[in-house]
Amino acid sequence: AQSVTQPDIHITVSEGASLELRCNYSYGATPYLFWYVQSPGQGLQLLLKYFSGDTLVQGIKGFEAEFKRSQSSFNLRKPSVHWSDAAEYFCAVGLKEYGNKLVFGAGTILRVKS
Amino acid sequence: EPEVTQTPSHQVTQMGQEVILRCVPISNHLYFYWYRQILGQKVEFLVSFYNNEISEKSEIFDDQFSVERPDGSNFTLKIRSTKLEDSAMYFCASSELEDTQYFGPGTRLTVL
Repeated sequence: AQSVTQPDIHITVSEGASLELRCNYSYGATPYLFWYVQSPGQGLQLLLKYFSGDTLVQGIKGFEAEFKRSQSSFNLRKPSVHWSDAAEYFCAVGLKEYGNKLVFGAGTILRVKS
Repeated sequence: EPEVTQTPSHQVTQMGQEVILRCVPISNHLYFYWYRQILGQKVEFLVSFYNNEISEKSEIFDDQFSVERPDGSNFTLKIRSTKLEDSAMYFCASSELEDTQYFGPGTRLTVL
């Protein structure tokens, strides 16, 4: 069955430090991959997506992610974290053959120390 | 920038009552979705809808749930007889094609 694993439930980084959030997926074909961010009490905002082509994708707010087929991973990175990046981050895989449903990981809560 | 809107932001209901959650998708989008997030748990897919039909539904989406696009702008989720375990945040999403989904802010449903 299709699944998404985000192994880190919480991550704390200092403001200005680099960030990497891990995401692994289980899916038979090349998936559509997404990262969403959720601030407290808010909806899910799309950060970036991968469909095909260049495996390094750029998103909003200075985030990027790299698709690695051999590792079934789609890790999110940011070179310098800002206090406003504190939120919960969700990785998701899109299944076109199942009504385009998204299967989400459990999320990673990012805390930023000043 | 166009966005998905949802009403109400918070709905409190008694167990066994019917609720209707409303969504206005982005205007040129053709595909519509409902997800839910029980507190502390993953976001879970409920249903996808295209061309006035359900295209996929999860095992959660049983006979107590239904969706409708009653007019050209609204997309609704009805729960016929709410249970305590239906308490969750419900998110509507829409996409222009079978690709990027844009989410609304959610409706928090509390069943007492």
